[in-house]
This record gives sequence, C-alpha cells and structure tokens, in this order.
Amino acid sequence: EIVMTQSPATLSVSPGERATLSCRASQSVSSYLAWYQQKPGQAPSLLIYGASTRATGIPVRFSGSGSGTEFTLTISSLQSEDFAVYYCQQYNNWPGTFGQGTKVEIK
Amino acid sequence: QVQLQESGPGLVKPSETLSLTCTVSGGSVSSGSYYWNWIRQPPGKGLEWIGYIFDSGSTNYNPSLKSRVTISLDTSKNQFSLKLTSVTAADTAVYYCARGLGYRTVAANWGQGTLVTVSS
Repeated sequence: EIVMTQSPATLSVSPGERATLSCRASQSVSSYLAWYQQKPGQAPSLLIYGASTRATGIPVRFSGSGSGTEFTLTISSLQSEDFAVYYCQQYNNWPGTFGQGTKVEIK
Repeated sequence: QVQLQESGPGLVKPSETLSLTCTVSGGSVSSGSYYWNWIRQPPGKGLEWIGYIFDSGSTNYNPSLKSRVTISLDTSKNQFSLKLTSVTAADTAVYYCARGLGYRTVAANWGQGTLVTVSS
C-alpha cells in the first residue's frame, strides 16, 4: 500500500495570503494524484485530479503541481471559505490511499 | 447534477453486520462509465477507501477489509449497498458513498455521509 504523507499538519495563513501544501508518496504515483477539501461536518469535495486538473467549478486560485512522489497544492489568495482540511489521495495503485490531511486555519 | 444519499442503522452491535445503502438521483448506476464507491472516516481521523463496484457488477475491495466486505448494485432501485461483517469498535466511522470520476478511483461526487457507531 502506498503511504501518502502531507505537510505541514496545520498551516496558519491570513486571508488574502498564499498557501502552499505538500504531499509526498512512498513510491511513484505518476500524476495519479487528487486533492480534496473538507469543511467541518461536511463530506470532502474534489478539487484537483491528475495532479493539476481542476475539477468542475473549482476556482482558478486553486492549483496543483508535481509528479512522481512530490506534489503541491497552492491556494493563491486565501478566501474565508478556503479555511478547511485538505487531503491528497493517490490513485495509481489500488487501494487509493489518502494523506492524513493539512488543516488550513486563520492566522 | 448527480446526488447520493446514504441510509442505514446508526448503531450496530459488535460482531454483527453493518449494512448501508446509497441512493443515487440525477444519474443511473447502470449507465456505465463510473465506479460507485464506499469510503469511510473514523471520527477525527483520515479517510479510507473501502471498495467500489461498477456497472457490470464487478467489484474491488481494500485488501485490509476484503474478507468482510460486500458491495452490490440494485439497478431497479438505482442504489448500491455495503455490507461489512463481524464489526468491531474500530469500524465506527462516517461512511460515505461516492461516484467516481469515470473509471478512476477518484471520488468526484459524494453523499453527505452517515455515522455508524459500533457499540453494545
């Protein structure tokens, strides 16, 4: 099973600032990497797949990059609705596995 | 826009079977081209993919749960279901059903989730 490791565990950011979240895979997952956002009491929602393709309706301030074992999710200018937990997930191998999450909180 | 809704008992006794159903609206479970998934999240913890089924009825289960899991499709009711046998407290979680992004294990559309507690 591929282990996904996210850093940092918590990121404190002021509204309007840039946030950079990292995700590392224990072995190469090519570009088969997705990012999800989860707000308290809600189901996760898909942001990015294929490492860099935004899902339908996702604002352009969300961007993904990377391949192989190192990936990044960047939120260019944090809005109030972006404070949430973010998970990466690989789907190169079965079972798809998630990172432990990065909580983006208001500084 | 497809919508998914989980239903089932919120409390299950240890050693018994957890049974959940996902009702799909705005799309058909038999239309092809999608995986229909179950994913769970223990309280305060991360996400675990349980397994999926697709329109042919073929399934794929997480090896860590494979001996206890069955996912099935009911095309007449536009539903798919999860059964997890011999549950323990470790199976306490919010259970989500989700539609895949085509034939990829990417969860593009999620139900709201249902909390299942395993306790006597």
